Amino acid sequence: EVQLVESGGGLVKPGGSLRLSCAASGFIFSNYNMHWVRQAPGKGLEWVSSISSTSRQISYTDSVRGRFTISRDNAKNSLYLQMNSLRVEDTAVYYCARGKGANDCWGQGTLVTVSP
Amino acid sequence: DIQLTQSPSFLSASVGDRVTITCRASQDISSYLAWYQQNPGKAPKLLISAASTLQSGVPSRFSGSGSGTEFALTISSLQPEDFATYYCQQLNSYPYTFGQGTKLEIK
Repeated sequence: EVQLVESGGGLVKPGGSLRLSCAASGFIFSNYNMHWVRQAPGKGLEWVSSISSTSRQISYTDSVRGRFTISRDNAKNSLYLQMNSLRVEDTAVYYCARGKGANDCWGQGTLVTVSP
Repeated sequence: DIQLTQSPSFLSASVGDRVTITCRASQDISSYLAWYQQNPGKAPKLLISAASTLQSGVPSRFSGSGSGTEFALTISSLQPEDFATYYCQQLNSYPYTFGQGTKLEIK
């Protein structure tokens, strides 16, 4: 069974850091581009970042560039999102998703709350 | 950045109705468009990729059409489990933007 499981969310103060992880199983992880998508409470979906299968191509949305770092470890079938200098507006459920094109498999999400 | 505008934002319909949600891109994205369904508290589910390719296991009452800047998701006969929020996403170029969503409610 194809599965993605996120972890690492929690409550953090503005300016703090968190590292999200996404454990993949049931497919050849190294064959797929991977993505982070977030959803603020009661709001729509927002693409955050993507990384190619070999980590050669990385992209970020403007609001997180310079603060967030996406990475992956194909040997561990894992995707990461290092989030620094967190802001209140980064509060959201963060999903990892796989996709060479469209995102055909999503994790259950992990909640990040940034609050004073 | 490519902007996606969905319409309507809210749609009230009855079981058995045929409904269409549209997604307009701010520039030509060829067929690099996907549609997702999301239920409250759940992760999105991919319904359609490449504008019109139905994903395995998705009921045939769902269909996608369009190319360039105008796209549509049609549900031919609404079932109770279809009442959810729907999003389009462009995958033509980064950032991979989403539409603002269409909430489909029971009339």
